[in-house]
Amino acid sequence: SQQGEEDPQALSIQEGENATMNCSYKTSINNLQWYRQNSGRGLVHLILIRSNEREKHSGRLRVTLDTSKKSSSLLITASRAADTASYFCATGFSGGYNKLIFGAGTRLAVHP
Amino acid sequence: DADVTQTPRNRITKTGKRIMLECSQTKGHDRMYWYRQDPGLGLRLIYYSFDVKDINKGEISDGYSVSRQAQAKFSLSLESAIPNQTALYFCATSDWDRAADTQYFGPGTRLTVL
Repeated sequence: SQQGEEDPQALSIQEGENATMNCSYKTSINNLQWYRQNSGRGLVHLILIRSNEREKHSGRLRVTLDTSKKSSSLLITASRAADTASYFCATGFSGGYNKLIFGAGTRLAVHP
Repeated sequence: DADVTQTPRNRITKTGKRIMLECSQTKGHDRMYWYRQDPGLGLRLIYYSFDVKDINKGEISDGYSVSRQAQAKFSLSLESAIPNQTALYFCATSDWDRAADTQYFGPGTRLTVL
């Protein structure tokens, strides 16, 4: 079964609004990453937050991590039509193989 | 990411045919991965390789095989394709990092098995 589950599955907003996506996971992690996928294309890494971090920023992106609740959120501020894409969280584990387990994603549509 | 290329980008084949998907990277990374993506299911790991001599099965390796011909090349084969292998296939690479494993993806291969 999938480790990470994004919520909502789909989100539709107007340009300029903020978009918030959530990710919940089941077991302890070493890090959590967010990726973006434009339709039919490869995933692009957006941001990584480690298990000992609570919040991280990158441009218009803000990621939080609550390890006690096993959840993370991705906030995109002042959204643009170009932000339209699917967003995936991926949970990472330490050990010999730092594997990532991807969730099913949130489809974000930003309307002009 | 142009540093990770996949060929072909699209392929339509028939049940029972042998298919090879190829991946090349210029990032100099040791680790390479093959994933498949199905609608609503996210990405699932098929195989991964730490280096040329190290290949490991992922969660859905049945019906697939791989070859790591060089540090920069990692091929995925479907020995006898079946319709439920219709999916979008991605190759990815990463550099070794004790604490995290950021992955870099190719553009994908859309495979249709009739």
